[in-house]
Amino acid sequence: NAGVTQTPKFRVLKTGQSMTLLCAQDMNHEYMYWYRQDPGMGLRLIHYSVGEGTTAKGEVPDGYNVSRLKKQNFLLGLESAAPSQTSVYFCASSYKGGPHEQYFGPGTRLTVT
Amino acid sequence: AQSVTQPDIHITVSEGASLELRCNYSYGATPYLFWYVQSPGQGLQLLLKYFSGDTLVQGIKGFEAEFKRSQSSFNLRKPSVHWSDAAEYFCAANGGATNKLIFGTGTLLAVQP
Repeated sequence: NAGVTQTPKFRVLKTGQSMTLLCAQDMNHEYMYWYRQDPGMGLRLIHYSVGEGTTAKGEVPDGYNVSRLKKQNFLLGLESAAPSQTSVYFCASSYKGGPHEQYFGPGTRLTVT
Repeated sequence: AQSVTQPDIHITVSEGASLELRCNYSYGATPYLFWYVQSPGQGLQLLLKYFSGDTLVQGIKGFEAEFKRSQSSFNLRKPSVHWSDAAEYFCAANGGATNKLIFGTGTLLAVQP
């Protein structure tokens, strides 16, 4: 049982390049989330999904797109990377929303130059 | 607006001393409350959570937290800190209806020998 895994662990992009971050969970969770973590700002929700085929915007969705084609996977895309998107990205999953604990992946450190 | 505040950005304690990390929330009703810990370069791990009932909640690694409705607070405590407790601690809240976890900005704990 690997829990929540993220691919890749590190990435450097040039401004304007695109990339996709992959999140996978093997806990059969319904809900999945993408956060970004920046110094002094805690974690902020980018997008989330309450089930296969569904997505919704979080607090800071601009410049990102997501897809949840399979229940176990949640993809985060950057179509045209900007330096402001330099951050550490965390994926999380939970059985349901509300009181249910969110389980976090190890993070992806992205640098946009 | 819903928010979570951790007023202490950085705290240093001596090994063996007691610890209290502060957390205040602003919500229309009592949210679900969580404390997470993040070790350097790692994802977040849940320490404890409060949903209802007993206002003193026990968690992992010897941590506990007390919910005080009158003060809108959910402070984290540990009677005797170990060097391995050095990490960043995040308080978070979920209003239930939104499925969105709102994080505080974190408190970085350093432990002196």
